[in-house]
Amino acid sequence: QLQLQESGPGLVKPSQTLSLTCAVSGDSVSSDNVVWNWIRQSPSRGLEWLGRTYYRSNKWYSDYPLSVKSRITITGDTATNHFSLHLNSVTPEDTAVYYCSRGGPGTPVSLFEFWGQGILVTVSS
Amino acid sequence: EILLTQSPGTLSLSPGERATLSCRASESVSTFVAWYQQKPGQAPRLVIYDASRRAAGIPGRFSGFRSGTDFTLTISGLEPEDFAVYFCQYHGSVPPWTFGQGTKVEVK
Repeated sequence: QLQLQESGPGLVKPSQTLSLTCAVSGDSVSSDNVVWNWIRQSPSRGLEWLGRTYYRSNKWYSDYPLSVKSRITITGDTATNHFSLHLNSVTPEDTAVYYCSRGGPGTPVSLFEFWGQGILVTVSS
Repeated sequence: EILLTQSPGTLSLSPGERATLSCRASESVSTFVAWYQQKPGQAPRLVIYDASRRAAGIPGRFSGFRSGTDFTLTISGLEPEDFAVYFCQYHGSVPPWTFGQGTKVEVK
């Protein structure tokens, strides 16, 4: 049974980098028929898809929306079976609950069928 | 980027009543709209995808419909566990994927 667990600091200072990890159990991050996503939710911005990473033909790929593309990196690690989010130059606007999620394989990879429990990250000095 | 506009913001209904939630896309998205249910303190749960396909484990009282760029989620006969916030999501093959702002279904 798939389980996703987010971890990382709950407080980040403005201008620093927010780094979170999603531990995956019950599947492999290198599966070739799924994608791994980060999504966040805040009262001011609602639900926001931050990007995805996926493994195909022995290579990692990633996609990001323009809104965060200049300051985000999402990576996968087959050795630890984790995937990670790094968001730099954070401001208080980045305060949100951050979720990791899997897309596929039974449904289109553009859906978020399985979610972690979420982790609240506050950006404040 | 596809903009999704949900209405109403809040729906006040009694158990057993029918709930009708709307989501309008800013441009043609074919059938690529999904619906999620979210309860306080929980992650969203997939309810409907491809406009009208129920996700695994979702009861038959949930149904989805599409007319052009207008999408509807109907809950026919609200159960106590259905009171929650519902979000629509654009899930076309090419990202970015976007969400509506949500409709809260509350007990009247």
